[in-house]
This record gives sequence, structure tokens and C-alpha cells, in this order.
Amino acid sequence: GIQVEQSPPDLILQEGANSTLRCNFSDSVNNLQWFHQNPWGQLINLFYIPSGTKQNGRLSATTVATERYSLLYISSSQTTDSGVYFCAVERGSGATNKLIFGTGTLLAVQP
Amino acid sequence: EAQVTQNPRYLITVTGKKLTVTCSQNMNHEYMSWYRQDPGLGLRQIYYSMNVEVTDKGDVPEGYKVSRKEKRNFPLILESPSPNQTSLYFCASTTHGTGGTKNIQYFGAGTRLSVL
Repeated sequence: GIQVEQSPPDLILQEGANSTLRCNFSDSVNNLQWFHQNPWGQLINLFYIPSGTKQNGRLSATTVATERYSLLYISSSQTTDSGVYFCAVERGSGATNKLIFGTGTLLAVQP
Repeated sequence: EAQVTQNPRYLITVTGKKLTVTCSQNMNHEYMSWYRQDPGLGLRQIYYSMNVEVTDKGDVPEGYKVSRKEKRNFPLILESPSPNQTSLYFCASTTHGTGGTKNIQYFGAGTRLSVL
């Protein structure tokens, strides 16, 4: 099946710093989403981005589908950005709508 | 407001005592699914449903049942819970489609289950 790898596995930042999280996937996809799981366990949908670039405030994401990777940029990080960031993909056939999740990047933003 | 609602949010139970976790969505989505999240294993799909009365196994279906009698509801049933089903559970829904449709998946807030 499709493999989804995220890097780095964990990251510690000082408040105000910028960061880039990466997601590599092993097959074509017709759905790619970035999620933030907050310390209470809730999964927050950040971006639906099977291709191209999107921005939402301090966050932006870019997916290069032909090269099978996606990047999540966090600028001017805040302590509330802490948590786990997941990339999840759906295979190119789209037949089952099943999302395959990466193992996540654990981000800790220190004041 | 588009929502996927799970209940309960937290549940502690004992081995063998049947339980149901409810999931409801208000977006008229055809597709719904259940995931469990475990440390080191990430999120794995348990069951999914393409539409009313259409369900199928995901990657880790053992010990679980589901039903889809109405489009908006997709309950997860543990007939005889065991400690290895202690986990964080998520319900998700989306429009069903192929080939480039916007299949954004919406997740519920999660249910933390402990089986003693």
C-alpha cells in the first residue's frame, strides 16, 4: 500500500521561529490533507491540498504531486501551535476515500 | 455549521460490557468511517461506509461492528470490549467521489476509551 513519511519526527521551536514540515508519499494521490492534533486530542483540518499552494494566516502548504511531497510552513510560531501535525493522503483511485496517515511531527513551541 | 459529533467524549468501561460510540454528521455526506489512534501506530481505519446499508472492513476491524441505517449516523459497536481496544477513536465523513472531487474529510472530536 501507499507509504506516507513525515519529517522531522519531532521539533522544538522558540516562539516566533519559522518551521517547515515535510510529507513524502509513495504513490499518486487525489487527496492530501494536513491536520493539527492539539494537546486535547482533537484533529483540526488545516488544509486540503492535493496540489498547489494555499495560505491561511501564518500557515501555508505546498504540494508537488508530480514529485510526491507536500510541505507545511509555520511562520512566527506561537505556543498554541504545539501539538502533532499529520499529513494524510488518499490513493489516486479514489475508490474507498480511505485516508492513510503519516506518523506525524510532534511540535513543541516554547515561550 | 458543518459538524461531525461523537459521543461520549470519554468512556471508561470493563472487559466484556457492550458499548456503543455514536457518530452523527450534518453535511449529508455519503461516506463515513471510524479510525483508532494508538501511540506509535498512528491512525488506522476500522470500518467505513459508502452509503446507507453499505459498510465494509478497514484495516483493523476485529472486535468491532458498525451499522448505517441512516445517512447521518454511523455508530461503532464493541460487543465485548477488551483492554487492547483502549484507544482514541475518531469518526470521519466526506462526500464520496473519485478523480479529483473535493473529498475533504471532516473528523469528530474523538472518543477516549479505556477498557479495564
